Amino acid sequence: DADVTQTPRNRITKTGKRIMLECSQTKGHDRMYWYRQDPGLGLRLIYYSFDVKDINKGEISDGYSVSRQAQAKFSLSLESAIPNQTALYFCATRASGEEEQFFGPGTRLTVL
Amino acid sequence: GQNIDQPTEMTATEGAIVQINCTYQTSGFNGLFWYQQHAGEAPTFLSYNVLDGLEEKGRFSSFLSRSKGYSYLLLKELQMKDSASYLCAVRGDNSGGYQKVTFGIGTKLQVIP
Repeated sequence: DADVTQTPRNRITKTGKRIMLECSQTKGHDRMYWYRQDPGLGLRLIYYSFDVKDINKGEISDGYSVSRQAQAKFSLSLESAIPNQTALYFCATRASGEEEQFFGPGTRLTVL
Repeated sequence: GQNIDQPTEMTATEGAIVQINCTYQTSGFNGLFWYQQHAGEAPTFLSYNVLDGLEEKGRFSSFLSRSKGYSYLLLKELQMKDSASYLCAVRGDNSGGYQKVTFGIGTKLQVIP
């Protein structure tokens, strides 16, 4: 079955470390998104990409960077992790012209 | 900016009907979404409304009134597996080529026997 996968699923790291979260999809969708979810807050968009050559900042991009290595792969990096980046991170995909976003299973990141 | 309000928690009985309300204030409007999210899992799409009225999909229905900035999600014949958070999300104006989608914090529904 077509799917959106994320690795790792859980990660504990220390302040100042560089971390990469990876997302892969087999749905053939051109649009990919990175969100973070915090208790008491809604999902917030970090970055989005409409195709391999298109990368855009979302509402909370500071401290993050992304790479769209291929249509199927979209990675999120924290160059120097800090404790307030502790959150649940979701990747999502969407087909152009469709409304539904398909979310990956999430990565729980803890920065000590 | 965009603001979304929905109740934090609700409790309902198995087999009953529950209505989860969502009110929003946005700069422009280009659709409203409902997603279901079980604890620790990914959100899954339930519905999309862009015109006023009721959209029915099995046990779930979603209603929209654009003039009132109001939507509700109606769940019928509640089952224990419906215990989850329900996220209301609104898509606003086109800004820099992207129509921003703002998510509410979600309504945690507990279904009890």
